[in-house]
Amino acid sequence: DAGVTQSPTHLIKTRGQQVTLRCSPKSGHDTVSWYQQALGQGPQFIFQYYEEEERQRGNFPDRFSGHQFPNYSSELNVNALLLGDSALYLCASRQTWGRTEAFFGQGTRLTVV
Amino acid sequence: AQKITQTQPGMFVQEKEAVTLDCTYDTSDQSYGLFWYKQPSSGEMIFLIYQGSYDEQNATEGRYSLNFQKARKSANLVISASQLGDSAMYFCAMRGAPLNTGNQFYFGTGTSLTVIP
Repeated sequence: DAGVTQSPTHLIKTRGQQVTLRCSPKSGHDTVSWYQQALGQGPQFIFQYYEEEERQRGNFPDRFSGHQFPNYSSELNVNALLLGDSALYLCASRQTWGRTEAFFGQGTRLTVV
Repeated sequence: AQKITQTQPGMFVQEKEAVTLDCTYDTSDQSYGLFWYKQPSSGEMIFLIYQGSYDEQNATEGRYSLNFQKARKSANLVISASQLGDSAMYFCAMRGAPLNTGNQFYFGTGTSLTVIP
């Protein structure tokens, strides 16, 4: 049973560009969340998707947007990249009902130059 | 507002010894969940253990146990019989109520654990 998979694993972008990160949740999971983890920090919540809608959002600007597809996979889009967007982006999936823990992917390391 | 505090940036433990990683939290919710995750250098967050706020017994999962003291708002992780593979970052996290409708995780800043042979 595959866990949460994210792609790509590493990415280098130029300031001002746009980026799309992808996540496939663990089998049986229908809720997907995205987190940003700056170096030396704990993950910070960006937003969460359930039933193809954004259900909850953290303190991130509108440059950060997302999407969830009917197969529960998800994308995170970041527009007008800033140097400060350089971080590890983690996708987490869970069952909406039932067990409470979330399973995380290995993350996408984004570097903005 | 929810807040997690981990005051130990780095910890060292001898192989086969036990180690306690500290975590305190702040919340006004009556119902919440406390979690510990391990993050190796590869980046993936690995779930270790969960404690519900209404659970009267401390949670245990193999070599991991959670020392839950509700009145003190602490949820310390105890790792028994440390192994070299336990060297990693450890994060304490909390989710507020209701647990089953997808509230966000709040994470601490983490503790780097190094197991010495």
